[in-house]
Amino acid sequence: GQQVMQIPQYQHVQEGEDFTTYCNSSTTLSNIQWYKQRPGGHPVFLIQLVKSGEVKKQKRLTFQFGEAKKNSSLHITATQTTDVGTYFCAGGNDYKLSFGAGTTVTVRA
Amino acid sequence: EADIYQTPRYLVIGTGKKITLECSQTMGHDKMYWYQQDPGMELHLIHYSYGVNSTEKGDLSSESTVSRIRTEHFPLTLESARPSHTSQYLCASRSGGSEQFFGPGTRLTVL
Repeated sequence: GQQVMQIPQYQHVQEGEDFTTYCNSSTTLSNIQWYKQRPGGHPVFLIQLVKSGEVKKQKRLTFQFGEAKKNSSLHITATQTTDVGTYFCAGGNDYKLSFGAGTTVTVRA
Repeated sequence: EADIYQTPRYLVIGTGKKITLECSQTMGHDKMYWYQQDPGMELHLIHYSYGVNSTEKGDLSSESTVSRIRTEHFPLTLESARPSHTSQYLCASRSGGSEQFFGPGTRLTVL
């Protein structure tokens, strides 16, 4: 079945620095979604990318979908303590999503 | 704010007990899902449903069972709880290919 791999598993960031988390699929994805789970909370939808090469921004977050629709990235600039949590990518179809293992982000003040 | 609810939020129970975790959504979503997640770890899909009277096993084998008699309701049952079932259980729903809404989760501890 479809597998979505996510790296790195952990990201320790100094406040104010940038970082990127990557998502790779073994098969072509129809779309990719990104979720954020705060410590002790539940995953919350951030964004969906559908088109090849698509780039979307949400304030300090930039999401990109690869040209071949097999990979995606999330780049955060000027990391803040509010960015702490686990970021999941998910690829799939109208019926079922396959979630990556997540990147857990901690921030050093 | 998503209208998906889970009860109880926390449950501590002894080994061998039967338990049912409740999940309800008021969004009319046809697809519903159950995930098992240990703190800070990946989401494991254990059951899903595409609609009323439809249930499927997920990617992670689970001793639990589910039912979908009504669109809005997707309960999960463990006939005999064991310490290995200790985890967080997240319910989610979705319509078409849109975003997936997660409930707040049930944290289960089996002693």
